[in-house]
Amino acid sequence: GQQLNQSPQSMFIQEGEDVSMNCTSSSIFNTWLWYKQDPGEGPVLLIALYKAGELTSNGRLTAQFGITRKDSFLNISASIPSDVGIYFCAGHRAGGTSYGKLTFGQGTILTVHP
Amino acid sequence: NAGVTQTPKFQVLKTGQSMTLQCAQDMNHEYMSWYRQDPGMGLRLIHYSVGAGITDQGEVPNGYNVSRSTTEDFPLRLLLAAPSQTSVYFCASKALQGNTEAFFGQGTRLTVV
Repeated sequence: GQQLNQSPQSMFIQEGEDVSMNCTSSSIFNTWLWYKQDPGEGPVLLIALYKAGELTSNGRLTAQFGITRKDSFLNISASIPSDVGIYFCAGHRAGGTSYGKLTFGQGTILTVHP
Repeated sequence: NAGVTQTPKFQVLKTGQSMTLQCAQDMNHEYMSWYRQDPGMGLRLIHYSVGAGITDQGEVPNGYNVSRSTTEDFPLRLLLAAPSQTSVYFCASKALQGNTEAFFGQGTRLTVV
């Protein structure tokens, strides 16, 4: 079954508020990725993390690769209406029988009220 | 700058019918995969391939077949469509070495009645 536990499942916030979501896993991942999906579209990559402890920013987005390699979080600062969408975490294990396989969390549905 | 192309975008099938969802990528990616997206379930991996001639099962492979005869194409076949296969299907591809960003197609919305 699915190995990534993403929370929260949904968030309703006011424009201008900060947002935080996270993913945890029972397995170690070598790469953590955060995607955003707009309605009717495929997911698009926001941030990629490749090293334990790495903290990476992309505009108002900040993501961190947990030290244990079993978790990651995504923060969005000063949210705006176009941040609405579904956010997915994804993990990649580079070796073993799961070589190349990318596993996704259940997604966080973000709604931003103007 | 095509990236990952999926066809069709929408499809309605009757129970028991068969069809093939097409996926093509022009980035010379070794890895290709199929996911289905259902409300509250996220993206669940159906089948994946790490190169031409190599395929493997994901989390929810039952009812689906795949083949990878070329690097570019990775079709997904539904042999006997069932209502439980009503879903949105996404194809994704990525390189196996270096940065492992997966690129997604725009999805195929399938309804089985």
